Amino acid sequence: QKEVEQNSGPLSVPEGAIASLNCTYSDRGSQSFFWYRQYSGKSPELIMSIYSNGDKEDGRFTAQLNKASQYVSLLIRDSQPSDSATYLCALRGTGRRALTFGSGTRLQVQP
Amino acid sequence: SAVISQKPSRDICQRGTSLTIQCQVDSQVTMMFWYRQQPGQSLTLIATANQGSEATYESGFVIDKFPISRPNLTFSTLTVSNMSPEDSSIYLCSVEVAGGNQPQHFGDGTRLSIL
Repeated sequence: QKEVEQNSGPLSVPEGAIASLNCTYSDRGSQSFFWYRQYSGKSPELIMSIYSNGDKEDGRFTAQLNKASQYVSLLIRDSQPSDSATYLCALRGTGRRALTFGSGTRLQVQP
Repeated sequence: SAVISQKPSRDICQRGTSLTIQCQVDSQVTMMFWYRQQPGQSLTLIATANQGSEATYESGFVIDKFPISRPNLTFSTLTVSNMSPEDSSIYLCSVEVAGGNQPQHFGDGTRLSIL
């Protein structure tokens, strides 16, 4: 079982819709969770951090964490073509400082 | 957040040669890491660069192949030694600015192609 699992996609949504990206993880001791966006040919860029169960909102982005079920999700409201990118789920596992990344979900927002 | 500069941004190298990648941060950081991203893949941690001591390597990565230095709190280098086409990847420097549960931030990466 991979430490961090994501559906590779592509996830295709129409402009203006809600995009829902999901991530599951295996290490129950993980405490810190992050979503990064990576445009083609660019390096990852931090979008959201979440540490506690529940929802965290930042503009059009909402991160959701459920530690009991070991999943993290990212909702993007009012999706724009500029949101088309690969979204990487990352976490800090038990006893580790470096982040572990999922394989990423490619999002395509259709105009 | 910190400004992270990586050099070179890209290079094309011959098989059997070595290349050193530099990572410079504009402020002191607690942690520095080196990742590899192979074409179409996610990020794989190579090692944690420790200030003033030997780097901590992940399984599958060894010091002879990927020697790392971190002489101070703002600078690190990664050398890719005796390169082969399988080393063609993007190499990314990442930093954690402060301790605790802080996220990591990435440099722009070095795109390396081996002929």
